[in-house]
Amino acid sequence: EAQVTQNPRYLITVTGKKLTVTCSQNMNHEYMSWYRQDPGLGLRQIYYSMNVEVTDKGDVPEGYKVSRKEKRNFPLILESPSPNQTSLYFCASSWTGISTDTQYFGPGTRLTVL
Amino acid sequence: QKEVEQNSGPLSVPEGAIASLNCTYSDRVSQSFFWYRQYSGKSPELIMSIYSNGDKEDGRFTAQLNKASQYVSLLIRDSQPSDSATYLCAVNVITGGGNKLTFGTGTQLKVEL
Repeated sequence: EAQVTQNPRYLITVTGKKLTVTCSQNMNHEYMSWYRQDPGLGLRQIYYSMNVEVTDKGDVPEGYKVSRKEKRNFPLILESPSPNQTSLYFCASSWTGISTDTQYFGPGTRLTVL
Repeated sequence: QKEVEQNSGPLSVPEGAIASLNCTYSDRVSQSFFWYRQYSGKSPELIMSIYSNGDKEDGRFTAQLNKASQYVSLLIRDSQPSDSATYLCAVNVITGGGNKLTFGTGTQLKVEL
């Protein structure tokens, strides 16, 4: 089954404790992206990757890191999480980054930083 | 001005009625437009995509695009309670780093029995 998977689905952590949210897709997509969703603010892009070893900042990259060592994986790293990073996070992928491509979303990771 | 604007709602329609959801965008060079449906706590799922002016129909859904007015809409005919969700308008904006999908904040639709 073609899908985007994220782990963990739910995470409660404390301020400053490094964490990684994994994202994996099995569709051989070149383009992958991370979003956060907050009430009243909608989906905002954190980082995206056009291909392996190619990453770039989205609208809200502060406090986050990403890497793209393999085509299928695009982990999101929070080196020192803070309470304002409490949010619902989605990973998405598409064939390429061209304008007509459909983005497919993972199931989401609900993160709470205390 | 926000790049993509939607009325947050809730928009309430009776079962069987037509629901009309609207979206405006600010970037004139936007090329692609998408409507996603999102149930509470779930991930967005694509409903419709539209790239050229006019109407595009898919089952009970019709997307309408007017690039001159920078306006895109989604019509849902014969609305069902299962259509109750938040509908996200997304616009592909060309940036220096490539294409970027920008979302509106969504319109909550409630279909009442």
